Amino acid sequence: DTAVSQTPKYLVTQMGNDKSIKCEQNLGHDTMYWYKQDSKKFLKIMFSYNNKELIINETVPNRFSPKSPDKAHLNLHINSLELGDSAVYFCASSPRGDTQYFGPGTRLTVL
Amino acid sequence: GQQLNQSPQSMFIQEGEDVSMNCTSSSIFNTWLWYKQDPGEGPVLLIALYKAGELTSNGRLTAQFGITRKDSFLNISASIPSDVGIYFCAGLLFKAAGNKLTFGGGTRVLVKP
Repeated sequence: DTAVSQTPKYLVTQMGNDKSIKCEQNLGHDTMYWYKQDSKKFLKIMFSYNNKELIINETVPNRFSPKSPDKAHLNLHINSLELGDSAVYFCASSPRGDTQYFGPGTRLTVL
Repeated sequence: GQQLNQSPQSMFIQEGEDVSMNCTSSSIFNTWLWYKQDPGEGPVLLIALYKAGELTSNGRLTAQFGITRKDSFLNISASIPSDVGIYFCAGLLFKAAGNKLTFGGGTRVLVKP
């Protein structure tokens, strides 16, 4: 009965590699998000999708490309990974664009 | 962009104590949300506030949406060990280009040694 799920939970990779993180929500929400949480626990929005359409792109490097195949899924692909990309990435969903429900996070470590 | 100042940054609690934390902003928000994050987990929504002046409770938690729409506080009464964690305030601003949630820096609640 998981509401917002992400895979993988942990991702360790070398600089320069390309990786993807997947997110699924079974809440029937129209809006989904990606957030980045840095080592100081600061949470910042990266992207927002509403019904598969990109709504917000918070000046994230274009190495990050979100893709929403349907409104229950929002994946994040990252090209040419850099050391500074190491963080915890959270997916979230919202029924009306107000209250947001977060997934368990994906801890990305770039070596 | 908008910034939220959350205080205190950290606090120690003793079981049974009441604790309080707050968030202030230089600009208004339409909605205030309070989340708790446990280690290795995602933030969990505790309370949502939708109207200026609104006071809402969820068990031992009480939160208020400031009447100026620029601040909010969260109180925890009779704290217990599982209240330990990081509490985040978040302000939501409605925009035609897409509603945006801005988070405070978090209040780390720790147990008094």
